[in-house]
Amino acid sequence: GENVEQHPSTLSVQEGDSAVIKCTYSDSASNYFPWYKQELGKRPQLIIDIRSNVGEKKDQRIAVTLNKTAKHFSLHITETQPEDSAVYFCAAHSGNTPLVFGKGTRLSVIA
Amino acid sequence: EPEVTQTPSHQVTQMGQEVILRCVPISNHLYFYWYRQILGQKVEFLVSFYNNEISEKSEIFDDQFSVERPDGSNFTLKIRSTKLEDSAMYFCASSEQGMGETQYFGPGTRLLVL
Repeated sequence: GENVEQHPSTLSVQEGDSAVIKCTYSDSASNYFPWYKQELGKRPQLIIDIRSNVGEKKDQRIAVTLNKTAKHFSLHITETQPEDSAVYFCAAHSGNTPLVFGKGTRLSVIA
Repeated sequence: EPEVTQTPSHQVTQMGQEVILRCVPISNHLYFYWYRQILGQKVEFLVSFYNNEISEKSEIFDDQFSVERPDGSNFTLKIRSTKLEDSAMYFCASSEQGMGETQYFGPGTRLLVL
């Protein structure tokens, strides 16, 4: 089955700097890759997603890139703000299989 | 904006007791899911439900677990005889289409088994 690895597990950046979180997946048939942000004690919230027919997607300060050949995808947050501090989860989906999540990255943005 | 809702927000139970966690998915969604998140760990898929039947389930979803859509709005997860290791946050989610579409998560029920 699908296996998703996520790095780093923790990330600290200065406010205004960029943050990059990387995920790899094992199933070459995976075609949908969402990113969720989870603040402490709250629900995971979708922040951006990408499908396998595109290589990059951007939404304001957030972008996701996908390299199907290498089977990895990355979340990029530019101009980080303290409210970006949260745990970020990547996930991958293939066909009718369930979403498989990475272990999460705890991002701390230091003011 | 419509949201998935869950009740209760917290549940404390004794080992061996039955619990029922309740969810109200977004009204026009057709696919429903339960996930589990043990404290500090990743979100794990339990089960998906479509057209009044289970479409996928994980190894975690053993005979102690069951799901039901008792009416047109609620979606429930029952744990028949809780174990200590069932302590976790349980999230319900729903999507308009299948698992490859955006899934919207509820706020979760924190279950503590003593």
